[in-house]
Amino acid sequence: EAQVTQNPRYLITVTGKKLTVTCSQNMNHEYMSWYRQDPGLGLRQIYYSMNVEVTDKGDVPEGYKVSRKEKRNFPLILESPSPNQTSLYFCASSLNGRPSYEQYFGPGTRLTVT
Amino acid sequence: TQLLEQSPQFLSIQEGENLTVYCNSSSVFSSLQWYRQEPGEGPVLLVTVVTGGEVKKLKRLTFQFGDARKDSSLHITAAQPGDTGLYLCAGALVTSYDKVIFGPGTSLSVIP
Repeated sequence: EAQVTQNPRYLITVTGKKLTVTCSQNMNHEYMSWYRQDPGLGLRQIYYSMNVEVTDKGDVPEGYKVSRKEKRNFPLILESPSPNQTSLYFCASSLNGRPSYEQYFGPGTRLTVT
Repeated sequence: TQLLEQSPQFLSIQEGENLTVYCNSSSVFSSLQWYRQEPGEGPVLLVTVVTGGEVKKLKRLTFQFGDARKDSSLHITAAQPGDTGLYLCAGALVTSYDKVIFGPGTSLSVIP
């Protein structure tokens, strides 16, 4: 089954404790992206990757890191999480970027930072 | 400031009614997508429009892309309870080709 998977689905952590949210897709998609969704603010892009070893900042990259060493995986790293990073996070992938950006989303990771 | 505005923000209608939701911007998009999201789940792609003036139909859903590629609309005919959800529009700006911008969404509730 074609899908985007994320782990963990739920995570509660404390300020400053490094964490990684994994994302994997089995569709051989080139474009992958991370978003956070907050009430009243909608979905905002954190980082995106056009292909292996190619990553770039979205609209809200501060406090996050990503890597794209393999085509299928695109982990999101929070080196020192803070409470303002409490949010619902989605990973997405697309066969190619330009021009259509038809994205397939993972099920989401709900992160709480205390 | 939202680059993509959606209206209305909330909509509650009776089963069988028709409705239209709008997605507007002052910026030009290379393409625009519509997604539906249900609580606790990721958005699911409904359609992509690329050409100005384009109209696409998906069963009871009709999508239109404005001639200037700055706006779009989604019309639902004879709404059903299964149409309930958050409708999101998203697009890639021609000026920043690889970034995708999402609108804040229209929350639709269809009452049986």
